[in-house]
Amino acid sequence: DAGVTQSPTHLIKTRGQQVTLRCSPKSGHDTVSWYQQALGQGPQFIFQYYEEEERQRGNFPDRFSGHQFPNYSSELNVNALLLGDSALYLCASSRTPTRRTGELFFGEGSRLTVL
Amino acid sequence: GNSVTQMEGPVTLSEEAFLTINCTYTATGYPSLFWYVQYPGEGLQLLLKATKADDKGSNKGFEATYRKETTSFHLEKGSVQVSDSAVYFCALSFGRGSARQLTFGSGTQLTVLP
Repeated sequence: DAGVTQSPTHLIKTRGQQVTLRCSPKSGHDTVSWYQQALGQGPQFIFQYYEEEERQRGNFPDRFSGHQFPNYSSELNVNALLLGDSALYLCASSRTPTRRTGELFFGEGSRLTVL
Repeated sequence: GNSVTQMEGPVTLSEEAFLTINCTYTATGYPSLFWYVQYPGEGLQLLLKATKADDKGSNKGFEATYRKETTSFHLEKGSVQVSDSAVYFCALSFGRGSARQLTFGSGTQLTVLP
């Protein structure tokens, strides 16, 4: 049973460019959350997708957007990249949000470097 | 807003030593509390959790007790092993099930030497 898979694992962009990161949730999961983890810091919540809609959003600008597909996979898009966007981007999947015992399963992340 | 403060690392211990990693939180209300672990080259994994005051979470020899009066959730293990070397994150959340947003601390790097 594959866990949460993310791609690419590493990428380098320059300031002003745009990037798309991808996530396939664990089998049986329908909810995807994205987190940004800067070097030496804990992960920060970006947003959560369920039923192809953004359900919750953290304190991130509109440059950060996402999408969820009918097969529950998800993309994170970041426009107009800044140096400060360099980080490890983590995807976490879970079952339907209202399940009381829902646990988040994290992927290994996509490491983005902005030059 | 909500926040989590963790003991700064890195922490280096010898095998079989006792481990404590301090975690305190600031929140309005009574959150659920978690410890996550990140082994080298792997994703974050839930280690243990507690959802109400005085609950004790435990897993793999690790324990943490939800202390409302001191707003703390310190992680302990009586005898660490080399395989426990990892980064440990304390986190809190509100809400039901997986609808929760997690607020993480900055992490504590643990290295256990043989």
